[in-house]
Amino acid sequence: DIKMTQSPSSLSASLGERVTISCRASENINNYLSWYQKKEDGSVKLLIYHTSRLQPGAPSRFSGSGSGKDYSLTISGLESEDIATYYCQQGYTLTFGSGTKLEIK
Amino acid sequence: QVTLKESGPGILQPSQTLSLTCTFSGFSLSTYGMGVGWIRQPSGKGLEWLANIWWDDDKYYNPSLKNRLTISKDTSNNQAFLKITNVDTADTATYYCARIAVMYTTDSYWYFDFWGPGTMVTVSS
Repeated sequence: DIKMTQSPSSLSASLGERVTISCRASENINNYLSWYQKKEDGSVKLLIYHTSRLQPGAPSRFSGSGSGKDYSLTISGLESEDIATYYCQQGYTLTFGSGTKLEIK
Repeated sequence: QVTLKESGPGILQPSQTLSLTCTFSGFSLSTYGMGVGWIRQPSGKGLEWLANIWWDDDKYYNPSLKNRLTISKDTSNNQAFLKITNVDTADTATYYCARIAVMYTTDSYWYFDFWGPGTMVTVSS
């Protein structure tokens, strides 16, 4: 099975700061990588699909990049509403990363 | 506008069968290419994909749970269902249903573009 390793597991950043979360697959996933945001109220939203495509309605400060096994999600200018846990997911066998909890410093 | 909402028993006992319902609107599972999936999150743990069902009744299951899962649909009532047999405390989780989006490149790539709010299920004696 394809394993997804996400880092860091938690992150504290200041408002306005640029934040990057990483996700590594155990094998090449050919850009089949999505990013989700899960808020404390339990709601889940798709942010990015196919590595870098922004889901309609997702803020443009979110961007994704990567290839092969290595991928990243960047928030360019952290806002208070971005406080959440972020998960990557590969598109072959649908396994998720372990999550990155983002907090305000 | 696509919406999904999960419903379940709330609490059940070990060895029982968990039955979950996903009621959705804004799309139809009779439309070519449409699918619904189930995902769960135990408290303090990560997300785990469970099963998918497609417009043509094709089904895919997480291999680690396949023997205990059954996914089905009622197209006329815009509902999808998931049953998990022989539950134990490890099945305590928030269960989500989500619409599947498909991107076709050299093969097909699945992801979940709309999610329900989740329903909490506790397995306890």
